[in-house]
Amino acid sequence: GIQVEQSPPDLILQEGANSTLRCNFSDSVNNLQWFHQNPWGQLINLFYIPSGTKQNGRLSATTVATERYSLLYISSSQTTDSGVYFCAVNTGTASKLTFGTGTRLQVTL
Amino acid sequence: DVKVTQSSRYLVKRTGEKVFLECVQDMDHENMFWYRQDPGLGLRLIYFSYDVKMKEKGDIPEGYSVSREKKERFSLILESASTNQTSMYLCASSRGAGNTIYFGEGSWLTVV
Repeated sequence: GIQVEQSPPDLILQEGANSTLRCNFSDSVNNLQWFHQNPWGQLINLFYIPSGTKQNGRLSATTVATERYSLLYISSSQTTDSGVYFCAVNTGTASKLTFGTGTRLQVTL
Repeated sequence: DVKVTQSSRYLVKRTGEKVFLECVQDMDHENMFWYRQDPGLGLRLIYFSYDVKMKEKGDIPEGYSVSREKKERFSLILESASTNQTSMYLCASSRGAGNTIYFGEGSWLTVV
């Protein structure tokens, strides 16, 4: 099956710093989503982005489908950004997503 | 607003017990999913359903079964719980292929 790798696995930032999280995938995808899991376990969908660039406030994401990677940018990070960021993909007509192992982000004061 | 509700947030069960995890969505979504999340392994798909009474195995179905008698409800069943099933279980739903997926808050299951 498709492989999804995320980097870095762990990241510590000071509040106000910017960061870039990467997601590499091993095959063509129809769907790519970024999620944030807060410290209480809730997973929130951030972006649905199989290709192109999207922005939502301090967050933006870019997927280059031909090169099989996606980037999540966090600008002016805040402590509430802490948690784990996952990318997830699917291929073909299937609805099920395959998740990467995540990037754990800690934003400190 | 989109809502996926898991009936139990925290459970402690004994080895060999039958365990039911319930999930309800209020968005009339066709697809529903059960994942488990373990440290270092990310989220792994157990089962999913694309319609009432329809189900398909995910990547790790062993030791689990599911039931979908109504469109809004998807149940995960552990026929005989074992300690290696201690994990966080996440239910999710989506409208169809290529659509945003929404998660519940998770159920933390400990099997002792």
